[in-house]
Amino acid sequence: EAGVTQSPTHLIKTRGQQATLRCSPISGHTSVYWYQQALGLGLQFLLWYDEGEERNRGNFPPRFSGRQFPNYSSELNVNALELEDSALYLCASSLQGGWDTQYFGPGTRLTVL
Amino acid sequence: DQQVKQNSPSLSVQEGRISILNCDYTNSMFDYFLWYKKYPAEGPTFLISISSIKDKNEDGRFTVFLNKSAKHLSLHIVPSQPGDSAVYFCAARINSGGSNYKLTFGKGTLLTVNP
Repeated sequence: EAGVTQSPTHLIKTRGQQATLRCSPISGHTSVYWYQQALGLGLQFLLWYDEGEERNRGNFPPRFSGRQFPNYSSELNVNALELEDSALYLCASSLQGGWDTQYFGPGTRLTVL
Repeated sequence: DQQVKQNSPSLSVQEGRISILNCDYTNSMFDYFLWYKKYPAEGPTFLISISSIKDKNEDGRFTVFLNKSAKHLSLHIVPSQPGDSAVYFCAARINSGGSNYKLTFGKGTLLTVNP
């Protein structure tokens, strides 16, 4: 069974640009979660999608947004990039609303110059 | 405001000995706690969890203890093996209403098990 996949592995952008990160969940999983892990910090919850709807979001500004497609894959968009957005972005998936067991992808390393 | 704290950034133990990783939390509304393990260049993997209505959960070499009055949980690994060397994250779940769950993670503890 294929795990959670994320693309790209690395992404380099400059301040003010937009970044798009992609995530494919495990087959059969309908929930997708996005987390940010900045240097020296733990995982910070960003967004939760389930059945195509945004269910909850963490304490991040609106320039962090995303969507979930009918095939349950998901996209995270970060607009007007700032230097402090440089971080590892992790995507996880679970069965619907399965907060007790999330399966994580390897992450996308975003560097903002 | 760090609601989930892992105060030890690193821990080093000898193979075969017990590893104890600690986690403190401040929000009494957390109803579920999880431990994740993360190897370099990989995403975190779920290890073990415990509901707030229990005080202990065991799975093989891994045991999680919850002390609600102290708002403290710990992960015990016995016996420790070199393959256990990884970063361990403690996470706590809260329901902000209407199944609006959220996980809050600690900063992680790097465990090194020496052969």
